[in-house]
Amino acid sequence: EPEVTQTPSHQVTQMGQEVILRCVPISNHLYFYWYRQILGQKVEFLVSFYNNEISEKSEIFDDQFSVERPDGSNFTLKIRSTKLEDSAMYFCASNPAGDTQYFGPGTRLTVL
Amino acid sequence: GQNIDQPTEMTATEGAIVQINCTYQTSGFNGLFWYQQHAGEAPTFLSYNVLDGLEEKGRFSSFLSRSKGYSYLLLKELQMKDSASYLCAIAKDSSYKLIFGSGTRLLVRP
Repeated sequence: EPEVTQTPSHQVTQMGQEVILRCVPISNHLYFYWYRQILGQKVEFLVSFYNNEISEKSEIFDDQFSVERPDGSNFTLKIRSTKLEDSAMYFCASNPAGDTQYFGPGTRLTVL
Repeated sequence: GQNIDQPTEMTATEGAIVQINCTYQTSGFNGLFWYQQHAGEAPTFLSYNVLDGLEEKGRFSSFLSRSKGYSYLLLKELQMKDSASYLCAIAKDSSYKLIFGSGTRLLVRP
């Protein structure tokens, strides 16, 4: 069964550094998302992407965040200058056409 | 804005039935999802309701009443491996973004 994949599984970085989190959504899906979950808190929506552009973003998704679909398969989240409070699990998700979203296994980001 | 409420914790016995409730207030409603999440792992899809009524899938059933802003997840024949958090989420707007509740931590005891 097709799955959403994410790399790396764990990323440790210094405050102020840039990180890129990578996702490969399920191949025939049209909608792509990033969510984050700070330890012990609820899953929060960051951004949705459809037809090669951002369709919606949350208040969390400020200028330090960006997303790209550089080719037909990868979907990336870049954090330009990481802060301590960016430490969280970051989940990528995709859905075929406005119904069930399938989540990747997540990337645990630790900012020191 | 939106508001999604579900109990923080529940405890049940192996082999029993448990019902986890979720109430919500939102605009731009495009369906209600239930996900299971084990500690340190990703949410795993359990069920999706867009119309009123009951959806059954094996040991899991989910019910939705849009007029009441209410859903429940019913788990039958509980197993120890069902100990996890259960997340209620609303799909919103044309992007179908998911807005999650805080989750219900279910502990299944022998």
